[in-house]
Amino acid sequence: EPEVTQTPSHQVTQMGQEVILRCVPISNHLYFYWYRQILGQKVEFLVSFYNNEISEKSEIFDDQFSVERPDGSNFTLKIRSTKLEDSAMYFCASSEAARGLNGYTFGSGTRLTVV
Amino acid sequence: AQSVAQPEDQVNVAEGNPLTVKCTYSVSGNPYLFWYVQYPNRGLQFLLKYITGDNLVKGSYGFEAEFNKSQTSFHLKKPSALVSDSALYFCAVRDPNSGNTPLVFGKGTRLSVIA
Repeated sequence: EPEVTQTPSHQVTQMGQEVILRCVPISNHLYFYWYRQILGQKVEFLVSFYNNEISEKSEIFDDQFSVERPDGSNFTLKIRSTKLEDSAMYFCASSEAARGLNGYTFGSGTRLTVV
Repeated sequence: AQSVAQPEDQVNVAEGNPLTVKCTYSVSGNPYLFWYVQYPNRGLQFLLKYITGDNLVKGSYGFEAEFNKSQTSFHLKKPSALVSDSALYFCAVRDPNSGNTPLVFGKGTRLSVIA
């Protein structure tokens, strides 16, 4: 069964450093998403991406965040200058249909720890 | 705005007994509803969805959920719980008439099945 792949599985970084979280969505999917889950809390939407541009973003997704699809397969989330409160599990997801008719397929996540 | 409520942080059930994990939603129109499960250190796995049609939908691992429009609920059920069902369960909703708005998740319910 096709999977969404995320790397690394765990990243530790110092406060103020830049991090890039990587995702390889399912190859025929057209819609891409980043969500995060702070430990023990709800899964929060960050951003959606379609046709090489952001289609929707939450208030969490401020100027410190950016997304990119640098080639035909990767989808990255960059945090420019990490803060302690950015520590969370970050999930990438993709879907093939508009409006998420078939739901989203999620990756296993990257646990980001900011120290 | 769309939202999801999972009123229980934790549900405990004995193995072999039926289980119910509750979810209520709020959208302006007819919703797309989903259940996802998260096992420890894993991503979100799709369990089942309601888009249209029969109010009772069946999904993976013997789970089912009933869409109740009058009560705006989409409770997850299983007739006979297994220890291996112990995990974190998330209900999610999407309003298909709201453009590109993404899936919105509830805060999750931890299910513990005791042998």
